[in-house]
Order: sequence, then C-alpha cells, then structure tokens
Amino acid sequence: QKEVEQNSGPLSVPEGAIASLNCTYSDRGSQSFFWYRQYSGKSPELIMFIYSNGDKEDGRFTAQLNKASQYVSLLIRDSQPSDSATYLCAVIFGNEKLTFGTGTRLTIIP
Amino acid sequence: DAGVIQSPRHEVTEMGQEVTLRCKPISGHNSLFWYRQTMMRGLELLIYFNNNVPIDDSGMPEDRFSAKMPNASFSTLKIQPSEPRDSAVYFCASSPGTAVYEQYFGPGTRLTVT
Repeated sequence: QKEVEQNSGPLSVPEGAIASLNCTYSDRGSQSFFWYRQYSGKSPELIMFIYSNGDKEDGRFTAQLNKASQYVSLLIRDSQPSDSATYLCAVIFGNEKLTFGTGTRLTIIP
Repeated sequence: DAGVIQSPRHEVTEMGQEVTLRCKPISGHNSLFWYRQTMMRGLELLIYFNNNVPIDDSGMPEDRFSAKMPNASFSTLKIQPSEPRDSAVYFCASSPGTAVYEQYFGPGTRLTVT
C-alpha cells in the first residue's frame, strides 16, 4: 500500500514567521510531488510541484525534496493570515494517479 | 481560460434516487479524474480517464457507481441507487497528461443523500 504521511496539525504560526509543512512517502521510486492548498469549503488548489531533488522557490513558497530520505516539505515565508488553510501533500506512484496525504491544517496567528 | 467546470454545485436527494454529476475538463487536457472527499476518509480517487478511456476504476466503491467520458470535453459520474453514506464532496480534476501531471480541480459538487 503506497502511502503519504502528513502531520494533521493544527499547526499555528505567528504572522510574518516561516511555516514549515512536512510530508513523507513510502515509495522510493516516486518521481512527482505536489502541494495543494485547500481553504474550508473550497477545492484543492495546486501551489507547488517538484520533480527533482533540492529546492524550488516560487514567491513566498519553497518546496524541498529529498528522495533519499523520502521526504518533501513546503516552507511559507512571511506567513500571512490568508495562508491559513489545509495543505495537502500528493505523490504520484508510477502512473498518473495522485495519492494524497490527509493534510495539515495551518493557522497563521495575527 | 476557464478552469474545470462541475455541475451541479449542490445536490440534495433522497436515498434510492439516481444522481448524476457532470464535469467539463480544461480544454486540451488529456486526463480526467473523479475524487470524493469526506472528513473521515479524506480525498479519495474514484476513477481516472486518459484520452477518454477509463484507465483505473479501482477506487469506485461499488457497482452503484459508474463513470463515463463520451468525449474529451465531458464526463459524468452516476450513483444509482444513492445511499446516505454517499454524502460527500465530489471533485473532478484534469491534467495535461503526457508527462505533465499537475492536476487542476473543479469547484466540486456537494452531495447530500437523506
């Protein structure tokens, strides 16, 4: 059973600080990794994807991938109240199917 | 460019009735996915299509669920007969496919079966 594990939280971070969200996955052969943001009552929104080891930055967001450790993380710099949401990690195991983690609920405290 | 379109946005029906959910993927996307989300089970993949062909339906819970994609711009998910445990939010997503795997979700259909 291919799995994606996330800490469900809630994770509380002061406004302006760095929020760090973590995800581990079970299949060493996985090649594609995604972070989705989901506001309450809304659909998941793709915010980052990463395919290669290392860091990928997009604005205030940085995705980090370590395939040897089977670990992917999302850093949010200068956290804003509008970043409060559930963050879903997703991994493709072999084919196009995304397997989602259960999500981490993030709250940014003003 | 329009995103993924789903209809209806909300559906309330009685147990035993047939329910049909509709999805229009992003134009040019080759893959389409149906998901179900509940508090208990999170986001679950039900079925996905590539170039209108069902590739993997292992997530379809039982024979009461069926999905079709008659052309590249339209898909349906049908539940017949519906049961209260089918109450959930159903999302459709599409991706370009062919080595580009980012999926984009529609707004979802909130289904309530009483």
